[in-house]
Amino acid sequence: QKEVEQNSGPLSVPEGAIASLNCTYSDRGSQSFFWYRQYSGKSPELIMSIYSNGDKEDGRFTAQLNKASQYVSLLIRDSQPSDSATYLCAVNPSSNTGKLIFGQGTTLQVKP
Amino acid sequence: DARVTQTPRHKVTEMGQEVTMRCQPILGHNTVFWYRQTMMQGLELLAYFRNRAPLDDSGMPKDRFSAEMPDATLATLKIQPSEPRDSAVYFCASGLVGGSYGYTFGSGTRLTVV
Repeated sequence: QKEVEQNSGPLSVPEGAIASLNCTYSDRGSQSFFWYRQYSGKSPELIMSIYSNGDKEDGRFTAQLNKASQYVSLLIRDSQPSDSATYLCAVNPSSNTGKLIFGQGTTLQVKP
Repeated sequence: DARVTQTPRHKVTEMGQEVTMRCQPILGHNTVFWYRQTMMQGLELLAYFRNRAPLDDSGMPKDRFSAEMPDATLATLKIQPSEPRDSAVYFCASGLVGGSYGYTFGSGTRLTVV
């Protein structure tokens, strides 16, 4: 079992819709969770972090964390074509060494 | 904006040659990571340093890869000898403290071994 799992997609949504990206992780003691966005040919860019159960909102982005279910998600409201990218889920495992384990990423396509 | 600087951006080399990739982390960051990204494997952690000390290099093929941090402004990743399967994008990332804040990635080095 991979430590961090994501559906590779592609996830296709129409412009203006809500895109929902999901991630599960295997280490129950994981402490910190991050979402990175990576445009084709570019480096990953941090867009959201979440540490506690519940929701965290930042503009059009909402991160949701459920530690009991070992599940973290990212919602993108009012999706725009410029949101088309690969979204990487990253987890800081319980060892708290600071290292981040990444999922394979979900490719999001927002169609005009 | 503070940034992580990686050189070279692109490298094409012949199998068997030595490759050195360099990274200048953001000033003040105490943790530096090396990741490799391929289509098949995604982002794989190769090695990382805290306050210049190596913490974990278990993701690295030890016989050919080496990572060092000779000073706070420079991290290096060397491959000797290089093989075609090493072709990938190599990213350096830096951050502060124990990872609770996320990390900033450099632009990457795209390595092609022919």
